[in-house]
Amino acid sequence: GQNIDQPTEMTATEGAIVQINCTYQTSGFNGLFWYQQHAGEAPTFLSYNVLDGLEEKGRFSSFLSRSKGYSYLLLKELQMKDSASYLCAVRDRGSGAGSYQLTFGKGTKLSVIP
Amino acid sequence: GAVVSQHPSWVICKSGTSVKIECRSLDFQATTMFWYRQFPKQSLMLMATSNEGSKATYEQGVEKDKFLINHASLTLSTLTVTSAHPEDSSFYICSASRPLAKNIQYFGAGTRLSVL
Repeated sequence: GQNIDQPTEMTATEGAIVQINCTYQTSGFNGLFWYQQHAGEAPTFLSYNVLDGLEEKGRFSSFLSRSKGYSYLLLKELQMKDSASYLCAVRDRGSGAGSYQLTFGKGTKLSVIP
Repeated sequence: GAVVSQHPSWVICKSGTSVKIECRSLDFQATTMFWYRQFPKQSLMLMATSNEGSKATYEQGVEKDKFLINHASLTLSTLTVTSAHPEDSSFYICSASRPLAKNIQYFGAGTRLSVL
């Protein structure tokens, strides 16, 4: 099975940069995903890493180190609308017919303050 | 815009009734769809994996006779909560795996079920 760990809550100031860390333990690793989830809504896809290194997409970047079982999501130029939960999810081949299943961490609730 | 549609978004029902939730991939064929449940302030818990044309694979502890899943076409999966009880009240979310986009899962808007 997987063990995914990320901070429960973080607070950052509008316009600043924040880094949300995620560590994981899994077998059959097949990718790491970051999703954003506003309260009462479904998750929206942010980023995907399967090889080591940094993936940049606008204000959001995600980094992966497979040997360390570590990823982070970097949010730049924070805006108030970035206040949400950020979910780290690991994909592996799973068992049985459920290939490419995602296992989610508990999420990091980010509060952006003026 | 949304690539996965889920309906209804909110449903209230009496205890003992059944509720059907639909999940559709809008502009791609999804051979695999997933059903999750999320309780307040908790993360998503996978309930089952739905493969088109075959029986769903349920996670441990999920009653397959209570949560009926049908994936009759490449764009539609349904979850039916049978004989719903108050403890089934939760946020149910579906996702579809997009084959031509690295099998990234895209989520529907979710269905909030309240059983009285």
